[in-house]
Amino acid sequence: ILNVEQSPQSLHVQEGDSTNFTCSFPSSNFYALHWYRWETAKSPEALFVMTLNGDEKKKGRISATLNTKEGYSYLYIKGSQPEDSATYLCAFEAGGYNKLIFGAGTRLAVHP
Amino acid sequence: EAQVTQNPRYLITVTGKKLTVTCSQNMNHEYMSWYRQDPGLGLRQIYYSMNVEVTDKGDVPEGYKVSRKEKRNFPLILESPSPNQTSLYFCASSSSGAGAAPAMVGYTFGSGTRLTVV
Repeated sequence: ILNVEQSPQSLHVQEGDSTNFTCSFPSSNFYALHWYRWETAKSPEALFVMTLNGDEKKKGRISATLNTKEGYSYLYIKGSQPEDSATYLCAFEAGGYNKLIFGAGTRLAVHP
Repeated sequence: EAQVTQNPRYLITVTGKKLTVTCSQNMNHEYMSWYRQDPGLGLRQIYYSMNVEVTDKGDVPEGYKVSRKEKRNFPLILESPSPNQTSLYFCASSSSGAGAAPAMVGYTFGSGTRLTVV
């Protein structure tokens, strides 16, 4: 059974803090690792899709790294803002499977 | 605007009354999929479609049906809904079928349907 774990489950930070969360996934049969941002009452939006070991992606204050050999990815937010408050989902794409396997998400609340 | 349109957003129904949740995408995507989201769990795949007339079961297909008669539409059908199908449902599409090639731009999700079966 392919399992994706995200930690922590939830996080409360102050505006301006930098934060990071973890996604752990199977290290075998790796195809791609996705990160999505999901705001309340909206649909998940793709942040990054990473395929290569050592990949680093950046979008504004948000960045992500990938280690396929040990099966983890980190998402970093620098200088958190209240508008960063959302649930961050990671999803593992395995070769030969026609689906993304999602973690349960990390819920981030940024307080002014 | 490129989007996945899902309807309805909210639905309350009674046990056993057939319902359909519609999903339509305007991006000419081949791959479409339905997921359900329950508290404390990740999104779980119900059904997916690699192309017109090609559909297959995901992880939790029991109690659901789908069809893909046209490329843009992928409705989810609950023939006899039960309370354990109360959930938040998402339709998603991608330009490349997962497993065939990585969905390099990620999935595009619909706005979700919150279904309550009483």
